Amino acid sequence: NAGVTQTPKFRILKIGQSMTLQCTQDMNHNYMYWYRQDPGMGLKLIYYSVGAGITDKGEVPNGYNVSRSTTEDFPLRLELAAPSQTSVYFCASSYLISSNQPQHFGDGTRLSIL
Amino acid sequence: ELKVEQNPLFLSMQEGKNYTIYCNYSTTSDRLYWYRQDPGKSLESLFVLLSNGAVKQEGRLMASLDTKARLSTLHITAAVHDLSATYFCAVEMERVGGSQGNLIFGKGTKLSVKP
Repeated sequence: NAGVTQTPKFRILKIGQSMTLQCTQDMNHNYMYWYRQDPGMGLKLIYYSVGAGITDKGEVPNGYNVSRSTTEDFPLRLELAAPSQTSVYFCASSYLISSNQPQHFGDGTRLSIL
Repeated sequence: ELKVEQNPLFLSMQEGKNYTIYCNYSTTSDRLYWYRQDPGKSLESLFVLLSNGAVKQEGRLMASLDTKARLSTLHITAAVHDLSATYFCAVEMERVGGSQGNLIFGKGTKLSVKP
């Protein structure tokens, strides 16, 4: 059981480039989340989705976009990369909120913008 | 705005000692989570605390939740080196219409257990 899979694991971008961080889960979870973790800090929510076709902003959405066309996939798009977006990005998923289960996290994507 | 504060942020312990990590949060919530993160790794779920007075234990770790005081504790008993990691508490935001699972994380407590 793969759980939450993120690709790529590492990436270096130049300022102004764009890229998509991929996230897929095989647990049939309804809820999916994107977080960023800056050095020495906790995670901050970028975007989340409660099901296919439904997304909403979290704490720090500026500079990012998401889509959720299937239950399994929740890609995160950076359109114009900026140095402030250098961070580690984690994707997470969970079943129904009423199931009282924790969020399951992927291994992260380490992104540097130079 | 929900804020989550952990203390201490850094903790150096000797093996065999006991210590407590504190997690305070600023607004009403009934759901709190503890995660562990090893360097360069993902987050691993430790405990899910869902009601006032909830207490859960796993090995040398015990977590509790006091929703009235807006406080959770993670107690470490007889620490061992393998417990060295960063520990995060995360509080689920309550929203009108029901929670959507959004978590607000503390900054984490970096624990180092030395022989």
